[in-house]
Amino acid sequence: AQKITQTQPGMFVQEKEAVTLDCTYDTSDPSYGLFWYKQPSSGEMIFLIYQGSYDQQNATEGRYSLNFQKARKSANLVISASQLGDSAMYFCAMRGPDLIQGAQKLVFGQGTRLTINP
Amino acid sequence: NAGVTQTPKFRILKIGQSMTLQCTQDMNHNYMYWYRQDPGMGLKLIYYSVGAGITDKGEVPNGYNVSRSTTEDFPLRLELAAPSQTSVYFCASSYSGGIMNTEAFFGQGTRLTVV
Repeated sequence: AQKITQTQPGMFVQEKEAVTLDCTYDTSDPSYGLFWYKQPSSGEMIFLIYQGSYDQQNATEGRYSLNFQKARKSANLVISASQLGDSAMYFCAMRGPDLIQGAQKLVFGQGTRLTINP
Repeated sequence: NAGVTQTPKFRILKIGQSMTLQCTQDMNHNYMYWYRQDPGMGLKLIYYSVGAGITDKGEVPNGYNVSRSTTEDFPLRLELAAPSQTSVYFCASSYSGGIMNTEAFFGQGTRLTVV
């Protein structure tokens, strides 16, 4: 069974600082995908970044990067130069291989609430 | 672009009542999903569908039913509402084809309270 663990219930960071949100995962499948979603106070789920288990390079999307350490089964999200608008819940999620149906069945962690202080 | 649209946004139900949460998407995605998010928790998969006429259970299907008569619509039915079903419900859709790095697109959520 797949499992995602986010050990930081809350993080407080000063504006313009970099922040790392931790995510560890557990799976026996060699092929999997890791996602990060942002959930602001308005409630919607916003896709941030994706890392595939076979990707050689760490994923980057603007100010977001994913520190993927496969041997340690960790996929930490790094936000550079944090902004007030980054205050939100952040969820790490995993997709395992669904070789028959190809569905995006995601397993989510419990989330980390990030607060950016001015 | 509408994306994934859920209705209603908020609903209060009495114990034992039934209701249908509506979800429609305009991206021609074959795959659709229903998740629930309990307070302070991550999302859990209730049901999913890989195409019209095909549905399957997720992690927490008890107390719910789904149908998929068209590509666009994927309603979630609660037959006998219980307080344990108080949650925020998210509908999502994704591109088909088995490509691993395609993200799921989420609706705005339906906040349901059962009293």
